[in-house]
Amino acid sequence: DTAVSQTPKYLVTQMGNDKSIKCEQNLGHDTMYWYKQDSKKFLKIMFSYNNKELIINETVPNRFSPKSPDKAHLNLHINSLELGDSAVYFCASSQASSTTLHFGNGTRLTVT
Amino acid sequence: TQLLEQSPQFLSIQEGENLTVYCNSSSVFSSLQWYRQEPGEGPVLLVTVVTGGEVKKLKRLTFQFGDARKDSSLHITAAQPGDTGLYLCAGALVKTSYDKVIFGPGTSLSVIP
Repeated sequence: DTAVSQTPKYLVTQMGNDKSIKCEQNLGHDTMYWYKQDSKKFLKIMFSYNNKELIINETVPNRFSPKSPDKAHLNLHINSLELGDSAVYFCASSQASSTTLHFGNGTRLTVT
Repeated sequence: TQLLEQSPQFLSIQEGENLTVYCNSSSVFSSLQWYRQEPGEGPVLLVTVVTGGEVKKLKRLTFQFGDARKDSSLHITAAQPGDTGLYLCAGALVKTSYDKVIFGPGTSLSVIP
C-alpha cells in the first residue's frame, strides 16, 4: 500500500565503497526526486527526473548518479563514498502539474 | 545562502499554548507549502497556499501567504502533544518548464503535556 518506498532504510558502509538506494512509487506520478537531509534537518534537492529525463541537477558531485529505468523508479548510485555523504536521503514524487511532493520514509546512510 | 529562512529554529511550549512559525524569503514563489515531519519518516504535506494574502485553516492550524508571495506563517492554536514535530516550509520557484521546490531549514516544535 506504500505510495513511495525506499530501500534500504538503513545503510552503514565504509569510505570508498559504492552503494545504491532504490526508490519506487505507485502513485502514477511522472516526476521523481532525490533530496538529502543533513544532520541539521536541512532538506536539499539533489536531482529531479520527469518521465525518465533529468530536469534538475543541483551541483551534486558526479560520484552521485541517478538512474530512472521507468517513470515509477528512481535509483541513486553513489561511488567512492565519503564521510560527508552521511545523511538521510529522501525520494519523493509528484505530478508535473503539481508541486505537492510525496516522500518516502528515507534511507539513513552512515559512512564510517 | 538559504533562500528560505524559518524562525524560530526550536520551540518548546506547554500544551494549550498558541504559537506562530514564520517563513521568510527575498524570492517570490508561485506557491508555498508547509510540511510536517516526524522522526524516522518523510515530510507530509499540510497545506499549499497559492494566492498572495491567502489564509487557509486546517482545524487548529492557520496558514497565511504574504501579499507579495515571499513569506508565510503557520499559527497553531491550543497546541497538543500530537503537534510535536519538524515543520518545514517549502517554496516553488518557477523555472522555464517546471517548478523547483526548495525547503526552509525547519522549526522543531515540542509540545509538553
